[in-house]
Amino acid sequence: ETGVTQSPTHLIKTRGQQVTLRCSSQSGHNTVSWYQQALGQGPQFIFQYYREEENGRGNFPPRFSGLQFPNYSSELNVNALELDDSALYLCASSFGGGAGTGELFFGEGSRLTVL
Amino acid sequence: AQTVTQSQPEMSVQEAETVTLSCTYDTSENNYYLFWYKQPPSRQMILVIRQEAYKQQNATENRFSVNFQKAAKSFSLKISDSQLGDTAMYFCAFMNYGGATNKLIFGTGTLLAVQP
Repeated sequence: ETGVTQSPTHLIKTRGQQVTLRCSSQSGHNTVSWYQQALGQGPQFIFQYYREEENGRGNFPPRFSGLQFPNYSSELNVNALELDDSALYLCASSFGGGAGTGELFFGEGSRLTVL
Repeated sequence: AQTVTQSQPEMSVQEAETVTLSCTYDTSENNYYLFWYKQPPSRQMILVIRQEAYKQQNATENRFSVNFQKAAKSFSLKISDSQLGDTAMYFCAFMNYGGATNKLIFGTGTLLAVQP
């Protein structure tokens, strides 16, 4: 059973650029959620994808968007990067959308630095 | 809206001793999950323990146990026989049961240092 994998692990962008982060969910999971963790803070929910549809979103602007593919892997896209977007981005996979057991499995995250 | 509060930014404990991390939360929901996650320097969030709100019995997992006080909206984590590998950031988190998503609401974390 493979765990949740994220890529890239680190990346540096400049203000105004666009970035795509990728996540492969754990085998058997059909739900992926993304979190932003600023330095010294707890993770904040960005959105969740269940069966290829966004089914929940946190307080993030539309320039944060995502996709989920038929194999349940997912992408997080951020356009027009701002300095405050510098953070660790965590992907978590689970089963059943909101009807699962509540247990999420996290990847090691992608560290984004915006200069 | 639900909130999770961790009032201890940092704690320190000697190896083999016991330490308790505090967490309070606010919700108007009756059915929910509470979690403690550990985040070591490797960055990966690891589930330590989970509690279903409808269960009165406190959850335990080996050296880790919780004191769940539903009326007081308190959910503390006790680590017994602390080990050097327990050094990490610990996050308390809330999830509404039966919602549309598996959204976790995290506290700001407690950095635990286990001293040799």
